[in-house]
Amino acid sequence: GAVVSQHPSWVICKSGTSVKIECRSLDFQATTMFWYRQFPKQSLMLMATSNEGSKATYEQGVEKDKFLINHASLTLSTLTVTSAHPEDSSFYICSAWTGTAGTFGSGTRLTVV
Amino acid sequence: EDKVVQSPLSLVVHEGDTVTLNCSYEVTNFRSLLWYKQEKKAPTFLFMLTSSGIEKKSGRLSSILDKKELFSILNITATQTGDSAVYLCAVDALLRGGADGLTFGKGTHLIIQP
Repeated sequence: GAVVSQHPSWVICKSGTSVKIECRSLDFQATTMFWYRQFPKQSLMLMATSNEGSKATYEQGVEKDKFLINHASLTLSTLTVTSAHPEDSSFYICSAWTGTAGTFGSGTRLTVV
Repeated sequence: EDKVVQSPLSLVVHEGDTVTLNCSYEVTNFRSLLWYKQEKKAPTFLFMLTSSGIEKKSGRLSSILDKKELFSILNITATQTGDSAVYLCAVDALLRGGADGLTFGKGTHLIIQP
């Protein structure tokens, strides 16, 4: 149980375009999902907390107009990187809260060229 | 499909006890295994292991990797209530197409009782 599917696994896009990443809880409902970005030295930075039916809560320093989060249903949250630039290239991973723990998706490697 | 399995799922011990957390994996194109401690929202990085048999230590925490048997353990000695957290194991592997990615286990919820 508690499976989270993240799609796509890997995407390459041109600078200036937008990319949408999906995070789905397959066998449970998640009112809360978290979006992380992996930085060098393996640290994971929390970008935002996505709450179903309401606006996402962004961490300090994360541009909400650049990283659009939508949590329209209890099983799906999306992160859209708008007008992507090479510095946005990174590994993005989501985690869905089961009520007692967070279950991670498989991550998305974004490369902006 | 890549898999990371942690055991136990949860563990309750008394302060001062020593605990061993387990992580086994099945991945292709293994690059490294990572341990994180999650207390609040963002996991805190603990260790990265790439070579078999070399113990990494940080204070009361230590970890070792066995690439032949495909598992790692995280030891915490003289546990304190502040060690209570979810401990996550993740494996970094090369995905198809050349990209790398993290596969997380479901974590071990450790509770240290005073």
